[in-house]
This record gives sequence, C-alpha cells and structure tokens, in this order.
Amino acid sequence: QQPVQSPQAVILREGEDAVINCSSSKALYSVHWYRQKHGEAPVFLMILLKGGEQKGHEKISASFNEKKQQSSLYLTASQLSYSGTYFCGTDKLIFGTGTRLQVFP
Amino acid sequence: KAGVTQTPRYLIKTRGQQVTLSCSPISGHRSVSWYQQTPGQGLQFLFEYFSETQRNKGNFPGRFSGRQFSNSRSEMNVSTLELGDSALYLCASSLLQSNTGELFFGEGSRLTVL
Repeated sequence: QQPVQSPQAVILREGEDAVINCSSSKALYSVHWYRQKHGEAPVFLMILLKGGEQKGHEKISASFNEKKQQSSLYLTASQLSYSGTYFCGTDKLIFGTGTRLQVFP
Repeated sequence: KAGVTQTPRYLIKTRGQQVTLSCSPISGHRSVSWYQQTPGQGLQFLFEYFSETQRNKGNFPGRFSGRQFSNSRSEMNVSTLELGDSALYLCASSLLQSNTGELFFGEGSRLTVL
C-alpha cells in the first residue's frame, strides 16, 4: 500500500511556499523524504522518527504525525534548485507516487 | 568517497530473455535495496539485502530475484522478461538496515524490453 502524496504536481514562482503531504493507510514508525531531479538519482532530504518531531534541511522542513499516519514537507521561499520530484517513504521502504515541483523565475 | 555504482547503465533485451544488474554500494555500507521506477508507478520496492541476507521483499513476482555477496555488492536478476519490465532499476545503499537512515542511490540501470 503506497502512501498517497498530494498534490501530484505544484508550480511555483521563486520565493513562494509549498506544502507536500504524505498519507499512509498503515502505521508509520518513520517517514523519509527524498528529492529526485530530472535524470538524476533520488537524494535524501530528511528522516522523521516517531514522536512528531520536525526536522529541517535548508529552508525545507517537515512534520510527522504518527497518529494520523501523515507527514508534510514544507518548502519555504522556494528556489529554482528545489525543482524536482519529491517522494515520501515509509519505514518499510514503500515510497509514495511522488509530487512534481517546478519552480520558475 | 565513491558513490553507489550500478552497471550496466543502459541495456536492451527482448521478451523472454533474462538480465542481471549489478550494484556496488558505498564502501562500508552493508545494506543494499533495489527499486523499480516507472513513470506511472513511481518508486517500487523490490527487495533489501543486509549482510548477505534478504531482509525484506516487495510485491513482485518470483521472476525478480537478487543476492548479496560478502563484499556487500549486490545483483538482481529478472528472468523471462516482459514488456512491462521496462523501467529504471535503482539500487541504494545504507550503512545500517535501509529503514533506519539515509539511502544513497545509484544512477540506475535503464532496461528496455522489446
């Protein structure tokens, strides 16, 4: 059961904010976030462990609500380099279908 | 340090053939996991090996198999290829078991089945 990510695609102007959501039908013990640029390998952003902690990476942060089995990725003041497809992954290495983010100048 | 290396990068096979893909993890990493990536399905987990033992397996038919050697290098094999097996196959390595920390992905092996 793949986590469901929403939205499927986002288009932003530089400097705008975005939120990507990841929802699982099964219990989550941790959530991983990765970004994949076109033609490149996915790159690790962060891992969130049970406990609702929030982590950050540059201007990208995330939250994890294990009771709701959801995680959200927050991209603040987006930059051109943020463009790519974002995947959430569960502790069972099951990844969501991805959210394509495009940032334009 | 060197990253995850996958070979071959590109290959073309015909239906019914078999293929073997190789993955060399980052030095010192003991876990290797494999994924199939297609435009419609995203990243699909195939299996994970840790210290030569298969720890987890995704929902793929038995035609997909893998193994890990004592030096942590891993291979995956797909037998009796089908058109639907055309995909980018990614492997990832991690220091500990894959679900506990950062995965380092290789650039993938792009398989086309004709």
